[in-house]
Amino acid sequence: KQEVTQIPAALSVPEGENLVLNCSFTDSAIYNLQWFRQDPGKGLTSLLLIQSSQREQTSGRLNASLDKSSGRSTLYIAASQPGDSATYLCAVNTGNQFYFGTGTSLTVIP
Amino acid sequence: EAEVAQSPRYKITEKSQAVAFWCDPISGHATLYWYRQILGQGPELLVQFQDESVVDDSQLPKDRFSAERLKGVDSTLKIQPAELGDSAMYLCASSLGPGLGQETQYFGPGTRLLVL
Repeated sequence: KQEVTQIPAALSVPEGENLVLNCSFTDSAIYNLQWFRQDPGKGLTSLLLIQSSQREQTSGRLNASLDKSSGRSTLYIAASQPGDSATYLCAVNTGNQFYFGTGTSLTVIP
Repeated sequence: EAEVAQSPRYKITEKSQAVAFWCDPISGHATLYWYRQILGQGPELLVQFQDESVVDDSQLPKDRFSAERLKGVDSTLKIQPAELGDSAMYLCASSLGPGLGQETQYFGPGTRLLVL
């Protein structure tokens, strides 16, 4: 069974700092990987989706990379803002199942 | 912008009672997912529909949970009887389909269930 791990579980940074969130998975046979953000008590918002054949995807200040062979993905956030404070989750799609990590809770301090 | 709708947003019930959650996906989205998210954990897939057919319900506790999507549009998830351990957020998501470039999932706001 696929296991998805996100480290660190929580992260606190000052506004303006660049940061990296990590996602690792145990089985490299994936179809795609998606990054989400979740605000407290709310649903998930899709940020980026990377196909298994891609190395990275970018959207605004966000850049996600995928190294399927090593079972790792990173989400890079540039010039962090207080509005970026949320929990960030990665989800691995194996083609017939979706596996989520437990998330990284990010706090950006003004 | 089109959104996934869910109701109710909050539900409090007593154990052994029946509860039902409703989801209306984004128009034109053929694939619909129900997830359960326990506080502090990532979502766990309960059931996936492609149009009106169940694609995967391997993680659905079938002795008490049921899900349907009769006309391939909106969907209902039911729990009967509810147990204390069912307290969680129930999330619905939809995507255009399983095909390449169509898999981005869009989530609704969720239904928070508390079983007393």
